[in-house]
Amino acid sequence: DVQLVESGGGLVKPGGSLRLSCAASGFTLSSYTISWVRQPPGKGLEWVSSISSSSGFIYYADSVRGRFTISRDNAKNSLYLQMNSLRAEDTAVYYCARDQGRGYDFWNGFFDYWGQGTQVTVSS
Amino acid sequence: EIVLTQSPGTLSLSPGERATLSCRATQSVSNRNVAWYQQKPGQAPRLVIYGAFGRATGTPDRFGGSGSGTDFTLTISRLEPEDFAVYYCQHFGSSRVTFGGGTKVEIK
Repeated sequence: DVQLVESGGGLVKPGGSLRLSCAASGFTLSSYTISWVRQPPGKGLEWVSSISSSSGFIYYADSVRGRFTISRDNAKNSLYLQMNSLRAEDTAVYYCARDQGRGYDFWNGFFDYWGQGTQVTVSS
Repeated sequence: EIVLTQSPGTLSLSPGERATLSCRATQSVSNRNVAWYQQKPGQAPRLVIYGAFGRATGTPDRFGGSGSGTDFTLTISRLEPEDFAVYYCQHFGSSRVTFGGGTKVEIK
C-alpha cells in the first residue's frame, strides 16, 4: 500500500526553525512529484511547496518563499521541509502529498495520496 | 494569481438529497487543471474528482464534476451518510496550486 508518514512537527518559538520529514513507502518515490500542503487550525488547505521527481523543479508559495526549503532523497525514500524564520501564521498541520501523475519531473497538480499530517505550532 | 471562491459555505441537506457545490475562479482556467477533495474531521483530504470530470480511484459514481471557464460544480446525486464532509476545489497552473475555502456539507 502507498504510505506517506510525516514527522518532525512540534512547538517552536517565533523566529525558530523546524525540519519536517516525509517517509514514503509502497511506491517508487523517484517517479513522483511530492508536495507539502498545510492546514491552519479550523481553516482550509494551503499549498506550500512542490518538488519534482529528480528535484529538477521546485516551487514555493509566496507566503513561504525564502524561509522554507523543500528537498528529497530518493535513495532514502524521504522528503524534507526545512522551515526557518517561523511565524505564528505558520501554525498548521503539514501534510505531504503525492502527485497523481507518474513520470520523470512530471507534475499534473493533483494529489492522490496524503499522509496523516504533522502538527507545527509556532508560539512564544 | 487565481483565487477560487466556493459557495455556499455550508450546505445543510438530508441523506438521499442532491448536493450542488460551486467553485468560481477569478479568471478562466482549463478544466483539466481543476480538482475536488473531500475531507472528514481529523483526516487528510481525499481526491474525489480530477481534471474537472474524472473520478478518482474509489470515488462512487454518485459524485460528478462539471464546468468550464470560471465556474465549476461538484454534484453528489444522492447523499450517503459517509458523504457529509468538507469539500475543497483546487486549481493547478502557472507553477502554483490554489485551493478554495471549502464547502461544508452537513446533515440537516
